[in-house]
Amino acid sequence: EAGVAQSPRYKIIEKRQSVAFWCNPISGHATLYWYQQILGQGPKLLIQFQNNGVVDDSQLPKDRFSAERLKGVDSTLKIQPAKLEDSAVYLCASSPNFRVNTEAFFGQGTRLTVV
Amino acid sequence: QKEVEQNSGPLSVPEGAIASLNCTYSDRGSQSFFWYRQYSGKSPELIMSIYSNGDKEDGRFTAQLNKASQYVSLLIRDSQPSDSATYLCAVNFYSSASKIIFGSGTRLSIRP
Repeated sequence: EAGVAQSPRYKIIEKRQSVAFWCNPISGHATLYWYQQILGQGPKLLIQFQNNGVVDDSQLPKDRFSAERLKGVDSTLKIQPAKLEDSAVYLCASSPNFRVNTEAFFGQGTRLTVV
Repeated sequence: QKEVEQNSGPLSVPEGAIASLNCTYSDRGSQSFFWYRQYSGKSPELIMSIYSNGDKEDGRFTAQLNKASQYVSLLIRDSQPSDSATYLCAVNFYSSASKIIFGSGTRLSIRP
């Protein structure tokens, strides 16, 4: 079974530029998560989708971050404009469904450096 | 705000000893709990899940859950240098849908 796919693996941009990350979850997984992990910290949930609907985006900085999951499969996370503090690893994860006893499976992440 | 608390460490344990990692969580209604291991520069990988009070063993790993105390722990027996990593506690705060929240992680170092 193929795992969660993310691209690109690495990205360096200047502040105020825009950037987009792509995620393809495990086939058949209804729930998709985007986490931000700053160096030395645990993953912070940015947004959670159930199929193509948003379940939780309470921690997403909506003035600069946006995400979509068209057709309930792959997803794109965008930052516009980027700030220095956005430098982090962006992790995509998926779960079979939104029920209580399901763990999240992670992709390899995208390491973003904003200079 | 749902919270998951871990001691950031580093925790240094001699090879062959037992490593004990602890985690507390804020929501008494939480129902599922996970331990992930994260090597430097890699993404988190699931090593244990636990859903009911008591102990759950898998090889050298034992997860312990006490819902009354809102406490989860991970024991690693016969610690190996390859166990050196950051261990992330994650809690599924389930209301109308799952919401998996992570602690800040405990950095474990196994010394030869």
